[in-house]
Amino acid sequence: DAKTTQPPSMDCAEGRAANLPCNHSTISGNEYVYWYRQIHSQGPQYIIHGLKNNETNEMASLIITEDRKSSTLILPHATLRDTAVYYCIVMEDTGRRALTFGSGTRLQVQP
Amino acid sequence: DAGITQSPRYKITETGRQVTLMCHQTWSHSYMFWYRQDLGHGLRLIYYSAAADITDKGEVPDGYVVSRSKTENFPLTLESATRSQTSVYFCASSESFWDYEQYFGPGTRLTVT
Repeated sequence: DAKTTQPPSMDCAEGRAANLPCNHSTISGNEYVYWYRQIHSQGPQYIIHGLKNNETNEMASLIITEDRKSSTLILPHATLRDTAVYYCIVMEDTGRRALTFGSGTRLQVQP
Repeated sequence: DAGITQSPRYKITETGRQVTLMCHQTWSHSYMFWYRQDLGHGLRLIYYSAAADITDKGEVPDGYVVSRSKTENFPLTLESATRSQTSVYFCASSESFWDYEQYFGPGTRLTVT
C-alpha cells in the first residue's frame, strides 16, 4: 500500500471549515483513499473514502486531485466534538481489507 | 446490546501469564480484525479473519493466537504475556468483501507488569 504524509497537527476555529491535507504521491491506480478519525481513547471511526472522484457524505467531503497524488478532507463546520486524530489511509481493493494507520493529524478545534 | 463489544475493558497481568481478550459483534459481519495501538502511535494489525475458521496474520502477529469458531466472536490470546505487549487493543469488523467501512470496538487497555 502507498505511503501517506500528513501534518502532525492543525488548529481550526469552531464553526469554520477544517481542511486536512494528505499526500500520497506513490498511490497506484487501484488504491482507494480512506479517512478515519480517532477521538481520544476511543476506537477509530470511518469518515469517508474515494478512488478518483470527489465524495461527500453527512460528515465530510473528500477532494482528490486529478493526478490522485494528494487529497483533502473537509469538515464544513467544525465543532469541538471534531477534535481528534485524523488518519488518511491508502489501501488497495483486495480481500485483505486491513487498514494501515500512520501517525495522522491531530486536529484541535478551538472555541 | 447491538454493535461490537470488547472485554475486559482494562486488564493488568503479569509477565508469562496467558491472557485472552474477547471481541463480540452482533451484525454477523464476515470480516474481523485485531489491532494494537501503542502510546503515541497509529494502529497496527495483529490478525484478521475473513470468515469463521479462516484467519491470517497481520503486521505484528508474534506472541498472539486467534481463533474464530463462530462468526460473531474473535478472541485474541496472548500465550505468554510480555511487557512489550502492554498496549491498547482494538477489535474491528466489516460486513463483507465489498464493505469499505470498519467498525471498531471501544478497546481493551492491557498492562503487563
